[in-house]
Amino acid sequence: DIQMTQSPSSLSASVGDRVTITCRASQSISNYLNWYQQKPGKAPKLLIYAASSLQSGVPSRFSGSGSGTDFTLTISSLQPEDFATYSCQQTSSTPLTFGGGTKVEIK
Amino acid sequence: EVQLAESGGALVQPGGSLRLACAASGFTFSNYWMHWVRQVPGQGLVWVSRINTDGVSTTYADSVKGRFTISRDNAKNTLYLQMNSLRAEDTALYYCSTSVHGGYSETWGQGTMVTVSS
Repeated sequence: DIQMTQSPSSLSASVGDRVTITCRASQSISNYLNWYQQKPGKAPKLLIYAASSLQSGVPSRFSGSGSGTDFTLTISSLQPEDFATYSCQQTSSTPLTFGGGTKVEIK
Repeated sequence: EVQLAESGGALVQPGGSLRLACAASGFTFSNYWMHWVRQVPGQGLVWVSRINTDGVSTTYADSVKGRFTISRDNAKNTLYLQMNSLRAEDTALYYCSTSVHGGYSETWGQGTMVTVSS
């Protein structure tokens, strides 16, 4: 199975900050990497697919990059509604696997 | 509006069975692969199973293989997860989701809670 490791597991940031979350795969997954946002009590929401493609309706302050084993989700200017948990997922091979999540909290 | 609504979650004893359903509306259900993903409250997401558009191809996580069966009824726009030989570690919120090619999950339901306990 491909293991997905996210870092950090949590971070504190202020509105307007630039935030970067990383995700590392235990083996190469090309660009089969997706990012989700989840708020408490809510279902996950797809933000980025294929490493860098922005899902329709997602604000352009979210961006993704990387290929192979190392990936990054960047929020260019953190907004109040962005405080949530972010998870990466590889869809290169089954079983599909998720990272452990990164909780973005208000500083 | 694309909507998914899970149902069937309950409290069940270890060794018991449960069938979850996911009713789809607002899109052409038969055009989409579907996934089940679970989440223990406060923990991360775990992929459980997926099924292709016509139900012929199914894949499972090792932790549920041989105990869970995913299926779909395209005439009823409904996805199912038959869960047998349930264990305490199956306790989680179960989500269904859509997928164009069996990869990323585009739309998610709100989940249904399964609790396995005596």
